[in-house]
Amino acid sequence: AQSVAQPEDQVNVAEGNPLTVKCTYSVSGNPYLFWYVQYPNRGLQFLLKYITGDNLVKGSYGFEAEFNKSQTSFHLKKPSALVSDSALYFCAVRDMYTGGFKTIFGAGTRLFVKA
Amino acid sequence: GAVVSQHPSWVICKSGTSVKIECRSLDFQATTMFWYRQFPKQSLMLMATSNEGSKATYEQGVEKDKFLINHASLTLSTLTVTSAHPEDSSFYICSARDLYQTYNEQFFGPGTRLTVL
Repeated sequence: AQSVAQPEDQVNVAEGNPLTVKCTYSVSGNPYLFWYVQYPNRGLQFLLKYITGDNLVKGSYGFEAEFNKSQTSFHLKKPSALVSDSALYFCAVRDMYTGGFKTIFGAGTRLFVKA
Repeated sequence: GAVVSQHPSWVICKSGTSVKIECRSLDFQATTMFWYRQFPKQSLMLMATSNEGSKATYEQGVEKDKFLINHASLTLSTLTVTSAHPEDSSFYICSARDLYQTYNEQFFGPGTRLTVL
């Protein structure tokens, strides 16, 4: 079975500092990994995905994520946080070989960026 | 880019009534649509997977007679919450997968907030 863990309920960072939102996953096959952001009372917005290729994936709004197969992690990063980055972030995984097109979401991590 | 819309964006209804939520893919064809439920400050819980022209596949613990799903065309899926009760109050989000994008991410609608009085 596939699963996703986001170990931090909340991450606090000062504006201009780098940020990291952690994600680890478990799948039986090859993972397809995603990060989404959600603003209050809104649906999810896609940030980036890892399917294959380079382990460092660059996405929207200056975000990037690094796929680490040995650690089964896909942490979201940004070199310099903005106050407007404050939102709820979800990591998601899809096991294309056994999970079909079902995407499983982590519990979410709330990011607070202080000015 | 691919756009998914939901209607209504919010609805308030009396206990015992039924509510229909529409999910549309506006600029692509979606063979598969997904319905999620999100409680406050919690993650998205997959309720069912809807394939065009066939019966929906419900996740364990989701009552199919309570949450009726219809996917009659490649651009429209509907979720009907029958005989709604206050515990059904939640944020319902749909997503759609592009027919021609095998490895693509799902595109999410903006969500529908249901409040049952």
